[in-house]
Amino acid sequence: GAVVSQHPSRVICKSGTSVKIECRSLDFQATTMFWYRQFPKQSLMLMATSNEGSKATYEQGVEKDKFLINHASLTLSTLTVTSAHPEDSSFYICSAREGGGTQYFGPGTRLLVL
Amino acid sequence: QKEVEQNSGPLSVPEGAIASLNCTYSDRGSQSFFWYRQYSGKSPELIMFIYSNGDKEDGRFTAQLNKASQYVSLLIRDSQPSDSATYLCAVIVKNRDDKIIFGKGTRLHILP
Repeated sequence: GAVVSQHPSRVICKSGTSVKIECRSLDFQATTMFWYRQFPKQSLMLMATSNEGSKATYEQGVEKDKFLINHASLTLSTLTVTSAHPEDSSFYICSAREGGGTQYFGPGTRLLVL
Repeated sequence: QKEVEQNSGPLSVPEGAIASLNCTYSDRGSQSFFWYRQYSGKSPELIMFIYSNGDKEDGRFTAQLNKASQYVSLLIRDSQPSDSATYLCAVIVKNRDDKIIFGKGTRLHILP
């Protein structure tokens, strides 16, 4: 299957700092990428849909000024958690949709805000 | 009605038996259906996709789709302890801008 990478895999930061997470589709071009968040023992929650060259579409309840998404190319989307707080600690997972509609997930980024 | 519904489980199945995972969806116009497996602490991994009514087999896995009943299932034959995971059903929903909508997942536990 297609490969999606995420970096970093794990990050620990102080409260108030910003953290950037990168998501790359390695062997296909993804016009659409998705960002999810998953708290322990809970289901995936879609945060936003990232379209190459245009503004991201955020799900209800997700603050667009706090979770900045940039989809600068067909293979790269970034999520920046601004002014992170302990309640932002979570498992952040990106996925990329290939031409046929199938979505492939990255390995996830575990964020811990102290 | 939720867009994609799954029984949360846990579903316990003896090793070597067939595990049957079920999913229903609400959008009759949906065309594409996926099963993902997620191990604890890991991201989801695509197992199978199915677009047409009927069965689709891949190794020990068989996906079954019945569009009339709005029902999709995943069968795992010869269940192994390594199959213990959460299985997510996902559907591309036409009236949600072709987004993939995930069910909450069914936890499967294979008993050695």
